[in-house]
Amino acid sequence: AQTVTQSQPEMSVQEAETVTLSCTYDTSESDYYLFWYKQPPSRQMILVIRQEAYKQQNATENRFSVNFQKAAKSFSLKISDSQLGDAAMYFCAYRQTQGGSEKLVFGKGTKLTVNP
Amino acid sequence: GAVVSQHPSRVICKSGTSVKIECRSLDFQATTMFWYRQFPKQSLMLMATSNEGSKATYEQGVEKDKFLINHASLTLSTLTVTSAHPEDSSFYICSAALTGEGNYGYTFGSGTRLTVV
Repeated sequence: AQTVTQSQPEMSVQEAETVTLSCTYDTSESDYYLFWYKQPPSRQMILVIRQEAYKQQNATENRFSVNFQKAAKSFSLKISDSQLGDAAMYFCAYRQTQGGSEKLVFGKGTKLTVNP
Repeated sequence: GAVVSQHPSRVICKSGTSVKIECRSLDFQATTMFWYRQFPKQSLMLMATSNEGSKATYEQGVEKDKFLINHASLTLSTLTVTSAHPEDSSFYICSAALTGEGNYGYTFGSGTRLTVV
């Protein structure tokens, strides 16, 4: 079964600075999807960014970008110009497909604090 | 677009009673929906996957008879916690799979905080 590892339980960053959240995964598949989700105190899960494994270009969404290293099975999230509203739990997730079914496998999450 | 509405947002029930949580896709058809449970300061734990018109697939360790899932239409999935006990108190989240071109992913409901007293 695929696993997703987020090695940083907590991270902090100064407002306007840049922070990188780490994520590694284990899979034997060649084509798959990876996601970063944000969960603020409201607990609503919000999609931050999505990466398709067959695309070599790293995905970007405004201040959010990923460093996708397929061979290393690494999928880190970079947040530039951090804002107070970026404070949240961030979950890395892998779309697992098996026997015609699918599901998301989540990492344990990283709590991001943004200091003013 | 691609909004999932989950109700209720909070519910308190007495031990031994049942409670139903609804998850509706508002502007798309959700063939596949997922139900998660999240304990405080922890990640999401998948409980089951429901496909419209068929029986739900439960993850190992999840009691099928306790957590009844129904996905009778392409826009509605329900989770019923039967004979609830205090240990069932938790945060439950539903999610729907998105399969549109360029829109692949998952959208989540806002969650339901269940307290069993």
